Amino acid sequence: SQTIHQWPATLVQPVGSPLSLECTVEGTSNPNLYWYRQAAGRGLQLLFYSVGIGQISSEVPQNLSASRPQDRQFILSSKKLLLSDSGFYLCACPGRGQRDTEAFFGQGTRLTVV
Amino acid sequence: EDKVVQSPLSLVVHEGDTVTLNCSYEVTNFRSLLWYKQEKKAPTFLFMLTSSGIEKKSGRLSSILDKKELSSILNITATQTGDSAIYLCAAFSGSARQLTFGSGTQLTVLP
Repeated sequence: SQTIHQWPATLVQPVGSPLSLECTVEGTSNPNLYWYRQAAGRGLQLLFYSVGIGQISSEVPQNLSASRPQDRQFILSSKKLLLSDSGFYLCACPGRGQRDTEAFFGQGTRLTVV
Repeated sequence: EDKVVQSPLSLVVHEGDTVTLNCSYEVTNFRSLLWYKQEKKAPTFLFMLTSSGIEKKSGRLSSILDKKELSSILNITATQTGDSAIYLCAAFSGSARQLTFGSGTQLTVLP
């Protein structure tokens, strides 16, 4: 089955600094990939999804951008972080076969903007 | 717009109590409903439901889908402190090919 790697696990960044979070997937090819954000104690908000290299769809207007330079790589970026960008960021991809509606998650990155 | 609503938003119970968590959904071309448990890190999968009226069970946890009412419940019997977590419900849209998550229920089980 697929495995999702995310790093770093935690990050503290000052307001106005850039951001780059990386997600890589093993065990599958040409997966749909998703970035979610979770505010403290809340549900998951879909930020971006990608169905292939160079193909990015944004679900909400925001200070962040995403890129998919390779089939199994999905990157979340910002040029200048805001305090409101703090949260728990999760990368996910669907399962295969009968599990294709199930989301498999990376371990997440907890971002604190100070 | 696809929508998933969970209730209650938070719940505090004592060990041994039974709890019922609710989830209602409105998604285009519904395919499945999923429940996840989230502690400190990434959500972990609990159940996937696709058929109405068929209960899925894992230990003290069980869940059922009602496609007529567009809803699902997650039951936890004989709760333990280790059940304390956020429980997330998500519905998969076959049109959008993505999951829409609810805001979660924060369950706290006191000793």
